[in-house]
Amino acid sequence: EVRLVQSGGGVVRPGGSLRLSCAASGFTFDEYGMSWVRQVPGKGLEWVSSSNWNGGTTGYADSVKGRFTISRDNAKNSLYLQLNSVRVEDTAVYFCARGAWELYFFDNWGQGTLVTVSS
Amino acid sequence: EVVLTQSPGTLSLSPGERATLSCRASQSVSSYYLAWYQHKPGQAPRLLIYGASSRAAGIPDRFSGSGSGTDFTLTINRLEPEDLAVYYCQLYGPAFTFGPGTKVDIK
Repeated sequence: EVRLVQSGGGVVRPGGSLRLSCAASGFTFDEYGMSWVRQVPGKGLEWVSSSNWNGGTTGYADSVKGRFTISRDNAKNSLYLQLNSVRVEDTAVYFCARGAWELYFFDNWGQGTLVTVSS
Repeated sequence: EVVLTQSPGTLSLSPGERATLSCRASQSVSSYYLAWYQHKPGQAPRLLIYGASSRAAGIPDRFSGSGSGTDFTLTINRLEPEDLAVYYCQLYGPAFTFGPGTKVDIK
């Protein structure tokens, strides 16, 4: 069974930093691209970032480019999202998801973690 | 950048009825890159359809996808109370884009 278990999240002040983690199990992690998708409260889904299988290719939404960094540790079967210079509008539930450019869709999702940016 | 629109915004139907959800792209796209998700409150989204018409693993055959070019449809036959959710279409081209969603209410 594919499992994506997220950790991190919480309250952070504007301009601050936070790291989200996603621990994968039940599949061969380094055979898949991975992504982050978020949902602002009351709004729809928004793609944030993707990484190919080895982290050699990454992509970001314009709204987070230059502030967020996606990374992965295949030895630990883990995906990360480093959030820097956060803004109030980054407040959202963040989901990790399996899939990127080899699938073009996201076939398994983590449970989500809430990031609240507030002073 | 391709923009996705979904209609209607909200669909209110009774159990047993058929739901027809529309997803329209601002320009012609390859159906290979079109997917549909179900998202229930407080849960992770769930992949329903990929490649416009292929059902994901474990998805009941009540759910079907169709379409090409700019117009795509998700059909839910024999609605059940558990189908209450927001449904999103998603496209790759060249970034990953989600439509605004259609909320399905069960009367």
